[in-house]
Amino acid sequence: DMKVTQMPRYLIKRMGENVLLECGQDMSHETMYWYRQDPGLGLQLIYISYDVDSNSEGDIPKGYRVSRKKREHFSLILDSAKTNQTSVYFCASHDTGQLYFGEGSKLTVL
Amino acid sequence: GDSVTQKQGQVTLSEDDFLFINCTYSTTTYPTLFWYVQYPGQGPQLLLKVTTANNKGISRGFEATYDKGTTSFHLQKASVQESDSAVYFCALVERNMGYKLTFGTGTSLLVDP
Repeated sequence: DMKVTQMPRYLIKRMGENVLLECGQDMSHETMYWYRQDPGLGLQLIYISYDVDSNSEGDIPKGYRVSRKKREHFSLILDSAKTNQTSVYFCASHDTGQLYFGEGSKLTVL
Repeated sequence: GDSVTQKQGQVTLSEDDFLFINCTYSTTTYPTLFWYVQYPGQGPQLLLKVTTANNKGISRGFEATYDKGTTSFHLQKASVQESDSAVYFCALVERNMGYKLTFGTGTSLLVDP
C-alpha cells in the first residue's frame, strides 16, 4: 500500500522561527512535491524534486527551501517563518501518472 | 502558463441529486486531465484521469469527458450520496514538463442526507 508520511501533523511557531516539515515515502518514487493549500486558492506548488539533489522551484518558492538527500525523504524548510506562511502543507510523490499525497502538516505562524 | 478554472466554490445537494462540477482549462499543449478528491482531514487522492482528448474517464460512479473543443473537463455523477461530501480538484499536467500538476481552486461538495 503506497503511503506518504508527513511529520509533524500540527505545528505552531512564532514569527521569525525556523520550521522544518518532513516527508517520507517507502516506494522509491523519484519525483516528490511540496504544495500548500489555502482556502479559495487550492493547491499551489512550492517545489518539485526529481531525485536526490535535483530540485526545481514551483510556482511559489519564495520564503521556502527544500532538501532531498535520500530518495525516500523530502524536507521543506522555512527560514524565519512569516505569518502569511500559515497554511496546510502537503507532500506528494509521483508514480505512473498519479500523485500520492500525505495527510498534510498544518502550520500556524503567530 | 497553464491554468485550471473551477468557478463553483461550493455546491450543496441532497442525496440522489445529479452532480455537475464545472472545470475549464488553458494550455498550449495536449495535457492529461485529472479529478482529485479530498475528504476531510486527508490529502487529495486521484478520482479519475483522462489522457486523450474526447475520451471519458469513469470511476466510482463519477465521470468526466476531456473536451478539447470547449477545453472543459466537467465532473458529473448521476446520484450523489452523503459520503461524496468532499472537495473536488480539477488538475492538468503537460506532457514532457516533468510531471508538474496544476490544480484548480477546488469545489466543496456538501450532500445533505
